[in-house]
Amino acid sequence: EPEVTQTPSHQVTQMGQEVILRCVPISNHLYFYWYRQILGQKVEFLVSFYNNEISEKSEIFDDQFSVERPDGSNFTLKIRSTKLEDSAMYFCASREPGRGSNEQFFGPGTRLTVL
Amino acid sequence: QKEVEQNSGPLSVPEGAIASLNCTYSDRGSQSFFWYRQYSGKSPELIMSIYSNGDKEDGRFTAQLNKASQYVSLLIRDSQPSDSATYLCAVIMDSSYKLIFGSGTRLLVRP
Repeated sequence: EPEVTQTPSHQVTQMGQEVILRCVPISNHLYFYWYRQILGQKVEFLVSFYNNEISEKSEIFDDQFSVERPDGSNFTLKIRSTKLEDSAMYFCASREPGRGSNEQFFGPGTRLTVL
Repeated sequence: QKEVEQNSGPLSVPEGAIASLNCTYSDRGSQSFFWYRQYSGKSPELIMSIYSNGDKEDGRFTAQLNKASQYVSLLIRDSQPSDSATYLCAVIMDSSYKLIFGSGTRLLVRP
């Protein structure tokens, strides 16, 4: 069964460093999302992406964040200068095209630890 | 503020019992509703979606939607210890298709 994959599974970085989190969505999906979950808190929407542009972004997704689909398979989230409060699980999700299904499937996540 | 509310639990049921999980949402115009299961340290796993009023059954799971009451529930029949997890209710409230999650209900199934 096709699935969303994410790398790395765990990333440790120093405050102020740049990190890139990578995702490979399900192959026929066209809508891509990033969510994050701070330990013990709700899953929060960060950004949605379709047709090579951002569809919507949350207040969390400030100028330090960017997303890119550099090729036909990868979807990346970059944090330019990490802060302590960026420590969280980051989940990529994807959705297939068409109005019939709104289901989003999540990858296994990347645990980001900012020291 | 668009919100999804769930009782945090834990909800403790004996093995073989029916577990009933509930969720309310704030936006009356919401159209799509989902239940995800999340094991500790893992990602949300989609178990049910429901779009219209009434019941939708899939194996041991039944989702129930009442748009007039802005209420969605999940029933798990013949609960197993492996069902012990946090169950997340998620709602799409607008045309952005972004998911708004509740805080989740922790379910414990006692052997």
